[in-house]
Amino acid sequence: TQLLEQSPQFLSIQEGENLTVYCNSSSVFSSLQWYRQEPGEGPVLLVTVVTGGEVKKLKRLTFQFGDARKDSSLHITAAQPGDTGLYLCAGVKNSNYQLIWGAGTKLIIKP
Amino acid sequence: DVKVTQSSRYLVKRTGEKVFLECVQDMDHENMFWYRQDPGLGLRLIYFSYDVKMKEKGDIPEGYSVSREKKERFSLILESASTNQTSMYLCASSRRGMRREAFFGQGTRLTVV
Repeated sequence: TQLLEQSPQFLSIQEGENLTVYCNSSSVFSSLQWYRQEPGEGPVLLVTVVTGGEVKKLKRLTFQFGDARKDSSLHITAAQPGDTGLYLCAGVKNSNYQLIWGAGTKLIIKP
Repeated sequence: DVKVTQSSRYLVKRTGEKVFLECVQDMDHENMFWYRQDPGLGLRLIYFSYDVKMKEKGDIPEGYSVSREKKERFSLILESASTNQTSMYLCASSRRGMRREAFFGQGTRLTVV
């Protein structure tokens, strides 16, 4: 059972465009994390959001946690080729040790 | 600089061989994880450990075992490698607690022929 649904699965856009990636669930999470993975490497943590409604900015990347702590979004402004990668969201539930992973969004930014 | 190090980037093994994948972390993390990653299937948890000598099955433990004799080291063992175990294997570690942010190794691309 996929508890975290990511969309879109794949996105290919031109440099300079804006985009949004979504991570949705029917479950409540105590926090949610976003990672970026480049080909042949392990995922690297970008941000953790903890409070419902929280917005965090990392240069051109804006992360938002839904008010009910069931969903999150990642918005990239003026995308650059260096943003290319696989973006993964992961939710934390207090009840166990694990992270619940989305399937990922493969993003390609064309120069 | 914090680090999770996997013993090999690339491995090629024959069907039926016993395969050992090693992972070491230097962050004194309590939790350690082994995932496999296949195109279209995302990250799937094989096993995790929340303390020395403790282990829990993840979503796809069949054909695998693990060992955690020391806090910093978590080993994944393929008892008898099969071609359907060809995959990217990722080790991760994290602290306990609400944030539980994962730090990953560089991955091991295993091919079983």
